[in-house]
Amino acid sequence: KAGVTQTPRYLIKTRGQQVTLSCSPISGHRSVSWYQQTPGQGLQFLFEYFSETQRNKGNFPGRFSGRQFSNSRSEMNVSTLELGDSALYLCASKRVYSSTDTQYFGPGTRLTVL
Amino acid sequence: AQTVTQSQPEMSVQEAETVTLSCTYDTSESDYYLFWYKQPPSRQMILVIRQEAYKQQNATENRFSVNFQKAAKSFSLKISDSQLGDAAMYFCAYRSAFMDSNYQLIWGAGTKLIIKP
Repeated sequence: KAGVTQTPRYLIKTRGQQVTLSCSPISGHRSVSWYQQTPGQGLQFLFEYFSETQRNKGNFPGRFSGRQFSNSRSEMNVSTLELGDSALYLCASKRVYSSTDTQYFGPGTRLTVL
Repeated sequence: AQTVTQSQPEMSVQEAETVTLSCTYDTSESDYYLFWYKQPPSRQMILVIRQEAYKQQNATENRFSVNFQKAAKSFSLKISDSQLGDAAMYFCAYRSAFMDSNYQLIWGAGTKLIIKP
């Protein structure tokens, strides 16, 4: 079974631009979560989608948004990029929205904002 | 609020030896899950082992085992017969079993494990 895939793997953008990252979950998984990982802040939760609905959101500004499609694929968008948005963005999927399921992670997208 | 603490920013071990990574957590809940994830230089976060709080038996996965001390709120990871491929950042994570937590993972800061050949 194929794992979680994320595209692109690397991105370089300039301040003020916007970016869209994509995540395809493991087949059969309907929950997708997004995390931001930086050396200073560690792993921070962005949001989780299940059945095309955002179930919860972390403490990030409105510039960070996401969506999920009917095939469970998810995208996250960051508008008006700032230097501090440079990070590794990780996507994780699990079968359902529950406490018992284990999350499986993708390889991440490395975003650099210049 | 729950917190997860990994007090060892970096650990090193000789190949083939055993190493233990520490993790403590703070919670007032009785039902939760604990995880160890590994992140090698490739950056892919990989699940190493998982423990359900209601299970007294410590989880094991091949060379990886945990020492789960619920009363002490401690969840250490033991890696036996260390291999070069074990070199990575190791993250401890907590997840509440209660719906009002939104089932989110709460992460420790990570421990960098270095394997000496």
